[in-house]
Amino acid sequence: SQKIEQNSEALNIQEGKTATLTCNYTNYSPAYLQWYRQDPGRGPVFLLLIRENEKEKRKERLKVTFDTTLKQSLFHITASQPADSATYLCALGGRRGKFQFGAGTQVVVTP
Amino acid sequence: DTAVSQTPKYLVTQMGNDKSIKCEQNLGHDTMYWYKQDSKKFLKIMFSYNNKELIINETVPNRFSPKSPDKAHLNLHINSLELGDSAVYFCASSQDGQGNYGYTFGSGTRLTVV
Repeated sequence: SQKIEQNSEALNIQEGKTATLTCNYTNYSPAYLQWYRQDPGRGPVFLLLIRENEKEKRKERLKVTFDTTLKQSLFHITASQPADSATYLCALGGRRGKFQFGAGTQVVVTP
Repeated sequence: DTAVSQTPKYLVTQMGNDKSIKCEQNLGHDTMYWYKQDSKKFLKIMFSYNNKELIINETVPNRFSPKSPDKAHLNLHINSLELGDSAVYFCASSQDGQGNYGYTFGSGTRLTVV
C-alpha cells in the first residue's frame, strides 16, 4: 500500500540555522509533491509545489528538492525564525488531483 | 476576507445524532473538498466536487453525505454519529482540481462525539 513517512519527532532548531525536513514515500509514483504549513487549531497553508520532472524549487527562505529515484523530498527553511515554528506536511498527488498527506513534522525554532 | 470558511468551528454532540458542517469559498474555485484529520494528524480526503459534480468519493461510510448546492458551497451531513467520527474536518478548495496551485483550507471543524 502507498505510504508517506515524515519524521514524527519534533525538530528543535536554533534561530538562524537551517531546518531540513524529509518526506519519504513507498509504492507511489507521484506527479506532484506539495508542502504545507499547519499551525495549531488552523488549516494547512500551501507553501510550495514541485513536479516529478523538477529537482528543486525555491520560494524566499524555503527550498524543496524532489528525488524520484530515492522517493524522497527534502524541505529546507534557511535562516529559521521563531515564527517558522509550526507543523509541516508533505502531500503527494497523482494526475487526477487526489493528494495523500503525510502526518507532518513539528518544527520548533528557539531564539 | 475569509477565503474558505466553515461553520461551526466546534461541534460537540451525542452518539446517534445527525449533524451538518457548512463550507463556503469566495475564491471562485471550481473544486472543493472535504478532508478528515484524525488524532494522529493524518489528513485523509473524503470527497471532492467540481462545479457541483462529485469527483472523488473515498471509502467513507454512507452516513457521510456531501451536498453542493452551487460551486461556492460544499456541506457535509453526517447521520447517526459514532464515537469514531470524532476528528477535525477540513473543507478546502483548489483553482484547477489538479493541485497545481495547492489547496486553500478552511480553519477546520472539531467534531467531538460523546
